[in-house]
This record gives sequence, C-alpha cells and structure tokens, in this order.
Amino acid sequence: QQQVKQSPQSLIVQKGGISIINCAYENTAFDYFPWYQQFPGKGPALLIAIRPDVSEKKEGRFTISFNKSAKQFSLHIMDSQPGDSATYFCAARDDYKLSFGAGTTVTVRA
Amino acid sequence: DAGVIQSPRHEVTEMGQEVTLRCKPISGHDYLFWYRQTMMRGLELLIYFNNNVPIDDSGMPEDRFSAKMPNASFSTLKIQPSEPRDSAVYFCASSSLTRETQYFGPGTRLLVL
Repeated sequence: QQQVKQSPQSLIVQKGGISIINCAYENTAFDYFPWYQQFPGKGPALLIAIRPDVSEKKEGRFTISFNKSAKQFSLHIMDSQPGDSATYFCAARDDYKLSFGAGTTVTVRA
Repeated sequence: DAGVIQSPRHEVTEMGQEVTLRCKPISGHDYLFWYRQTMMRGLELLIYFNNNVPIDDSGMPEDRFSAKMPNASFSTLKIQPSEPRDSAVYFCASSSLTRETQYFGPGTRLLVL
C-alpha cells in the first residue's frame, strides 16, 4: 500500500519549460516532506524539503508548494534544463521512516 | 567525506545461495537505513538502526532476510537462501540525529538467477 501517491509517472518538457509533479498523502503523522532526485545507476539524492507549517519553499529553480488541508504537495522545476532529466521521488517522514512515492521520470528536450 | 559506501556494486548469484550486502555509513551518523528498489514496488524501507540497534524491521519481507550492525561504521544485509524475486537494487542510507537528510549510497544491484 503506497502511503504517498505521486503523479504523473513520466513527463516530457522542453528546455526552459516548467515541470510539475504532484503528491498526495493520508497519514497526518507525516512531519517532513523531502524530494529526492535520482540519476540512472545512482542513489537518490535530496533535492529540497519542506515542513508542513510552511506553504512554499524555493531553492534556485526548484519550488515546493504544500497544502496541508488538502494533504497535497508538489514540486515545480522552473526553466527546466537537460541536466534535470532524472527520476524524482516525493517522500514523507513519520518517526524517521520515509515513505516514497512511485517516482516521476522527467525528460527535458533540448 | 566519502559518503555512504556500499559493496559489492553488482552481485549475480544463483537461487539458493547466500548473499551478503555491505554498507559503511557516513562517519558520525546515528541512523542507518536499508532500502530495496524495484520497478514494481518502488523504494521500500526494509529496516533501520539507531546507534547500532535495530529499531524497525517491519519492512523485511521474510525470515530469509536479516540485517546486522555490529558497530557504528558497518552494517550487513543478508539473504539466505536467495530467490529470483529478490532481484533488485538495495540501497543503504544514513542520517544524523540533528539533520533530517538521509544520504543514500550508490546501491548494490542484485540479480538472482
């Protein structure tokens, strides 16, 4: 049973465009919501994270939007670059345990 | 810092054989996590340790799986006997008490024939 539902499964965006990935959860005990980026053959690496008392967090071209009442959060990648082509996972933490979404494969076309 | 180190990076074995995966966490980290990644099930937490003590092993799929952490700088995940459905990429990750980020190793790609 997937505790964090992620969509879409994949997306293609043109260079300079915006990529948007959405996640939803049910467990109100989750207290920390990171996004991980994974390149083929590598382990996931933390990209950006947010706590539920904040509605938005921005780091460079990456922004998390968080809607606590709807139990949804999303990742926006602005000005997408070919180097952003990777698989992105949302996650949620409960007592040090991370539950991951199924992942979104992003392809940025030059 | 060298990051989380895992060995071997690739393992091919035959069904019924014992497989041991190894992990060296980042020095000073109190928490160590073992994950399994497959296309069907995604990233799953198998077990995690705090200060070398197993805290939650509810994700360990069967008794064929066992994990140990004899000291702060070494952990093993053992599968005995291995089965083809155990084929996956196994990741080790570590984090410290004061920092929330889990740092993942490069993974061990296991193929059981």
